[in-house]
Amino acid sequence: GAVVSQHPSWVICKSGTSVKIECRSLDFQATTMFWYRQFPKQSLMLMATSNEGSKATYEQGVEKDKFLINHASLTLSTLTVTSAHPEDSSFYICSARASGLDTGELFFGEGSRLTVL
Amino acid sequence: GQNIDQPTEMTATEGAIVQINCTYQTSGFNGLFWYQQHAGEAPTFLSYNVLDGLEEKGRFSSFLSRSKGYSYLLLKELQMKDSASYLCAPMDSNYQLIWGAGTKLIIKP
Repeated sequence: GAVVSQHPSWVICKSGTSVKIECRSLDFQATTMFWYRQFPKQSLMLMATSNEGSKATYEQGVEKDKFLINHASLTLSTLTVTSAHPEDSSFYICSARASGLDTGELFFGEGSRLTVL
Repeated sequence: GQNIDQPTEMTATEGAIVQINCTYQTSGFNGLFWYQQHAGEAPTFLSYNVLDGLEEKGRFSSFLSRSKGYSYLLLKELQMKDSASYLCAPMDSNYQLIWGAGTKLIIKP
């Protein structure tokens, strides 16, 4: 099946620094990628929808200036958590759907666990 | 509004059968997914139903009734590795998945 690779898997950073998380579709092109955040024992929360070549669409309550999303190619989207604070510590997951398909399976990355000290 | 209702937690015995129910309300409907998520890991795809009826895939089966806004995931011959959260996720008219908190399934020997 299709593979989505997410990097890094784990990251620990100091408060106030910025962290970049990469999401790559390895064997298919993804016009759209999704970024989620999941706190312990809670559901996945969609943060934003990343569209190749255009601005990301953010969900209500998600600060676009804090969570910068860049989808520069059909196989790569990045999420940058700027000026991270301890409350940003969470499990960040990306997913992608093959280009041209609105339906069908979402392929998930392995997730990135961010801990902000 | 959009809503997913699943039991928070279920317990079953190794080798047994368990059914995880899900009711949903969405703005439009374009199918329903079931995902498995082990603790600390990303979700993995289990099934997709868009028509009414039962879809069988090995030990796992998924059922959908669109008129009732109801689905279930049936797991047979339970194994210890099946201990995980199971996420019911319908897709709305905008092709967005709506996620609930999932059902934590605990398998006991």
